[in-house]
Amino acid sequence: AQKVTQAQTEISVVEKEDVTLDCVYETRDTTYYLFWYKQPPSGELVFLIRRNSFDEQNEISGRYSWNFQKSTSSFNFTITASQVVDSAVYFCALSEANNYGQNFVFGPGTRLSVLP
Amino acid sequence: EPEVTQTPSHQVTQMGQEVILRCVPISNHLYFYWYRQILGQKVEFLVSFYNNEISEKSEIFDDQFSVERPDGSNFTLKIRSTKLEDSAMYFCASPRSGTQYFGPGTRLLVL
Repeated sequence: AQKVTQAQTEISVVEKEDVTLDCVYETRDTTYYLFWYKQPPSGELVFLIRRNSFDEQNEISGRYSWNFQKSTSSFNFTITASQVVDSAVYFCALSEANNYGQNFVFGPGTRLSVLP
Repeated sequence: EPEVTQTPSHQVTQMGQEVILRCVPISNHLYFYWYRQILGQKVEFLVSFYNNEISEKSEIFDDQFSVERPDGSNFTLKIRSTKLEDSAMYFCASPRSGTQYFGPGTRLLVL
């Protein structure tokens, strides 16, 4: 069975600090996808990134970067120079290849508060 | 980001009443999904719908729930007799290019 763990329930940082959100996953599949979504206070789920299991290259997008390490089954997300607008709940998710039903599993989320 | 729309954005209903939540997924997509998020909890899969049929459903999706495609572009999630524990955010979603895109959600409150 697939499982996603986000051990940090809540994190508070002061604006301009860097922050890393942890994600650890479990799956028996050799082909799978990992995602990060942002849920701001307004409630919608905003897609941030998708990474497939064959691509361990780290990715950077502006202030966001992702570190995928298959050896430790982790897909961590770092926000550099955090801003108040980054305050949200962040979800890590895992899916089998192209299956978004039973096998699309979300972690419990990490609530990030960025204080001015 | 591809657009998925949902109506209403908020709905308040009395326990035992029927509610219908509506979704317009990404154009021309045959697959769409419904998920639920109880306040403060993680997002959970409810049901997937492919080519006018349910293709997969979770344990949450019991006989009180149904999905329909009343016309070519709209999909609905119906809860026949709402319970207090149905209070949640309901998201529909469509995949595109291997990514699941979610609508803005309907926040349902059952009193």
